[in-house]
Amino acid sequence: SQKIEQNSEALNIQEGKTATLTCNYTNYSPAYLQWYRQDPGRGPVFLLLIRENEKEKRKERLKVTFDTTLKQSLFHITASQPADSATYLCALDMGSGNTPLVFGKGTRLSVIA
Amino acid sequence: DTAVSQTPKYLVTQMGNDKSIKCEQNLGHDTMYWYKQDSKKFLKIMFSYNNKELIINETVPNRFSPKSPDKAHLNLHINSLELGDSAVYFCASSQRGHYNEQFFGPGTRLTVL
Repeated sequence: SQKIEQNSEALNIQEGKTATLTCNYTNYSPAYLQWYRQDPGRGPVFLLLIRENEKEKRKERLKVTFDTTLKQSLFHITASQPADSATYLCALDMGSGNTPLVFGKGTRLSVIA
Repeated sequence: DTAVSQTPKYLVTQMGNDKSIKCEQNLGHDTMYWYKQDSKKFLKIMFSYNNKELIINETVPNRFSPKSPDKAHLNLHINSLELGDSAVYFCASSQRGHYNEQFFGPGTRLTVL
């Protein structure tokens, strides 16, 4: 079965730096890979989606890359701010419509002022 | 306007009881989900309904029974609650054909004593 790993449980960085979070998967490449943000006591919120034929996607200070050879996605937050502190989840979507999203356990990011 | 709402937000109950969690979405989506997030923050799909039809039923004890009276509602009934059922349960919705981007509710924290 598909496995997904976010290999840092927690990441601390200094305000203003770029945070880079990693998502690795095994087996088949998903059709899409999604990133979500989850704040304590709240549900995940969708941030970005990247398709298997896309190398990079950007949205404001966020950038996602997708390398199907390495079976890896990187999630970058540039000019990080304390308000970016949250848990970030990646999720694989095989794209069939009847297969569920498979979520990673998340990386808890703390941006220190 | 709340997109995906769940009630109750907190549920504390004794082992052996039966309880229900309700979910409603006003986004006009055709697909709804129940996820369980355990103490290790691992978010896992339980059920998915598309247009009131069950399409995903992961390995979940049959004490859990979802019910979708219409496209906008998906309720979760749990019989004979056990200690291991303690978790946060999230409802989510999405629209097929829109890359499966999920919109999550605020979660219901269930504590079984």
